[in-house]
Amino acid sequence: VQLVQSGAEVKKPGESLKISCKASGYNFTNYWIGWVRQMPGKGLDWMGIIYAGDSDTRHSPSFQGQVTMSVDKSITTAYLQWSSLKASDTAMYYCARLIVSFSTVTTRRYFDSWGQGTLVTVSS
Amino acid sequence: QSVVTQPPSASGTPGQRVTISCSGSSSNIGSNPVNWYQQLPGTAPNLLIYDNNQRPSGVPDRFSGSKSGTSASLAISGLQSEDEADYYCAAWDDSLKGDVFGTGTKVTVL
Repeated sequence: VQLVQSGAEVKKPGESLKISCKASGYNFTNYWIGWVRQMPGKGLDWMGIIYAGDSDTRHSPSFQGQVTMSVDKSITTAYLQWSSLKASDTAMYYCARLIVSFSTVTTRRYFDSWGQGTLVTVSS
Repeated sequence: QSVVTQPPSASGTPGQRVTISCSGSSSNIGSNPVNWYQQLPGTAPNLLIYDNNQRPSGVPDRFSGSKSGTSASLAISGLQSEDEADYYCAAWDDSLKGDVFGTGTKVTVL
């Protein structure tokens, strides 16, 4: 399993941006892909997940309406997109594959493979 | 602001045992399995423990996890210099309908 993310970006406030996460080594459409933000010197923030099979999405309330997640099954790639960046979007963004396992007792969910991260810098 | 809290730091000398706590609520840790991620300096997070106490292949058995009620713990026995990293717990939150990460703990090897 490998997730390779696009390179670092430097943008101005108000600009749009789309970063990518290329997956390989597994059946892309059978798994969810998640996005995680890490602001400079801070902890991890769960942004949301997208099912690669049918593009079903779940957003964190903190990120609903702020970003758009999408996938292109033909090239096994997931995307995270902003229409109008703010300085506060400056952060490292990670994609990760989500494992979901159901049992009679509980549902297990965890990120088992991570991309290397894409650093997004928004500055005037 | 995370609803799952961890101590900001922990430390120990080589060979010692270090324990990191993770405190949540009934909607996350109290209802769902806990996972732990290790983030070495300048790198992406890496899965360390899943389903409260399961180690992925390749993770040394000196890392162990446990859960009781709305709290969880990660123990590192036989601390090594390469264990110096940030550690995050995480669990699904049934109210938020998403994962919540803990605030993170920086482990320093003295």
